[in-house]
Amino acid sequence: DQQVKQNSPSLSVQEGRISILNCDYTNSMFDYFLWYKKYPAEGPTFLISISSIKDKNEDGRFTVFLNKSAKHLSLHIVPSQPGDSAVYFCAASAPQGGSEKLVFGKGTKLTVNP
Amino acid sequence: DSGVTQTPKHLITATGQRVTLRCSPRSGDLSVYWYQQSLDQGLQFLIQYYNGEERAKGNILERFSAQQFPDLHSELNLSSLELGDSALYFCASSVDGVEQYFGPGTRLTVT
Repeated sequence: DQQVKQNSPSLSVQEGRISILNCDYTNSMFDYFLWYKKYPAEGPTFLISISSIKDKNEDGRFTVFLNKSAKHLSLHIVPSQPGDSAVYFCAASAPQGGSEKLVFGKGTKLTVNP
Repeated sequence: DSGVTQTPKHLITATGQRVTLRCSPRSGDLSVYWYQQSLDQGLQFLIQYYNGEERAKGNILERFSAQQFPDLHSELNLSSLELGDSALYFCASSVDGVEQYFGPGTRLTVT
């Protein structure tokens, strides 16, 4: 039972254009959502997060949108740069007994072409 | 650099053996989380410790155990290793429990 789904295993965009990475979830108890970027042979790097009480959070070139009714969130990268090429993981958290374990999607590999 | 360190970076061992993975959290972080990433799988939560106490367990096998020491570093012990235990093991730490910062991981290969 996959509670966080990233249905696109890969995405390819041109440098300077917008990259849109999507994520769907099933558990309505999730109250915090995060995006991580991962390069090969490195650990995931925290990018941006959003609380369920918001519908948008922006940080530089990165914006995360949350649609609670659709149980969907997306990460927009504008403009995309070749250095953004990496695997992006969507993660969600639901507080349970004081724990904030993250549930991850399987990732989307983004390739930004020069 | 997230500030989370993990050793060793790579580990190759045989089936049936036991290994210990080590993690040092970021300075000031009381929570340590362990995750496993197998081939074609996302990161799977294994276990969380908070200030020395176990706080949550995920899909962690009985052959696996962990602890967090008074200096807040943590160790993940994997015993009776099987081929299927080959994976990347990540440690993460957090101060507020939500935004978790990951170490570089330990790649375990069981032959």
